[in-house]
Amino acid sequence: DIQMTQSPSTLSASVGDRVTITCRASQSISTWLAWYQQKPGKAPKLLIYKASSLESGVPSRFSGSGSGTEFTLTITSLQPDDCATYYCQEYNSYWTFGQGTKVEIK
Amino acid sequence: QVQLQQWGAGLLKPSETLSLTCAVYGGSFSASYWAWIRQPPGKGLEWIGEINHRGSTKYNPSLKSPVTISVDTSQNQFSLKVSSVTAADSAVYYCARASRGFYAMDVWGQGTTVTVSS
Repeated sequence: DIQMTQSPSTLSASVGDRVTITCRASQSISTWLAWYQQKPGKAPKLLIYKASSLESGVPSRFSGSGSGTEFTLTITSLQPDDCATYYCQEYNSYWTFGQGTKVEIK
Repeated sequence: QVQLQQWGAGLLKPSETLSLTCAVYGGSFSASYWAWIRQPPGKGLEWIGEINHRGSTKYNPSLKSPVTISVDTSQNQFSLKVSSVTAADSAVYYCARASRGFYAMDVWGQGTTVTVSS
């Protein structure tokens, strides 16, 4: 089974900061990596698919990169509305989520 | 615009069967896989399994609970059953479209909170 490891688990940053979340796969997954944003009491929302493709309607301050085993989600200018937990997810016969990264505003 | 609406019993006793249904509105039911995901209180997301319109299923091999996912193509619905539930099955359960075009879950249901308690 493929394991997905996200870091950090929690991140505290100021409005306007550049924020980066890392997701590492236990084996190569090419670019079959998605990122989701989840706010309390809500369903996850797809942000990025195929590692770097921005889902329609998602603000351009969100971007994804990487391939193989290491991936990043970047928020170029953190906004108050970005307070949420972010999950990576891979597909390789089965779907596996990372454990999540909670982003807070300082 | 595809929308998912899910429903089912929210309070169960240990050993009962959890039963949830998700209806698909809009889009092509036959063009996608349809998944169930759960999230225990305060924890992360766990994929339970998925099904396509032909009834072909995959399940998370790590799950301890007996799980069955079925489909009703006449109603554009798919369902989840978890038998002999325990407190460990208490979670918010989500249905979602699991796209094979870009390998992501792009449409989600609203979530159903299931609590298992004696």
